[in-house]
Amino acid sequence: QKEVEQNSGPLSVPEGAIASLNCTYSDRGSQSFFWYRQYSGKSPELIMFIYSNGDKEDGRFTAQLNKASQYVSLLIRDSQPSDSATYLCAVNHSGGSNYKLTFGKGTLLTVNP
Amino acid sequence: EAQVTQNPRYLITVTGKKLTVTCSQNMNHEYMSWYRQDPGLGLRQIYYSMNVEVTDKGDVPEGYKVSRKEKRNFPLILESPSPNQTSLYFCASSLSGQGANQPQHFGDGTRLSIL
Repeated sequence: QKEVEQNSGPLSVPEGAIASLNCTYSDRGSQSFFWYRQYSGKSPELIMFIYSNGDKEDGRFTAQLNKASQYVSLLIRDSQPSDSATYLCAVNHSGGSNYKLTFGKGTLLTVNP
Repeated sequence: EAQVTQNPRYLITVTGKKLTVTCSQNMNHEYMSWYRQDPGLGLRQIYYSMNVEVTDKGDVPEGYKVSRKEKRNFPLILESPSPNQTSLYFCASSLSGQGANQPQHFGDGTRLSIL
């Protein structure tokens, strides 16, 4: 069973701070990594995806991938109360199961005004 | 508007009564997938489809069936629902690729209660 683990949270940060969300995965051959945001009662929406080692920035969001350590993270700069949500890490499987996608259980982030 | 549409949004039914949750996408996506979301367990993949007539099991396929006769539709069938299938269900789709390597677009979800 392929595992995707996220810091359990909940995570609480003040408005304007940097929120750091972490995710580790067990399948060393995984190639595609996604971060989704899910507001309570709503469907997941894509925040970032990353395929290569290093950093990928999009506005206030930065995804970081380290395949050697099997670790992917999401940084949210200048956190806003509207960023309060559950953040889901998702990783595809490798090899013959590469059409399967496994999600972590999510980290609840609260940004306090 | 690009979207994934699920129906019904809410359903309360009884054990053993066959039901179908429909999913349709208008983005010409080849990949479609069903997930269930339960408190403490997160999102778990039930079935996925790489293209028309091509489907495969996810991590929790027991008690479910799917079909992909047309590119746009991917219904989820519960032949004999049981209370442990009470959950929030999401359908999702994405462009084709080498595996699940494309971002997925999610439907609004179906909240299913089996009594």
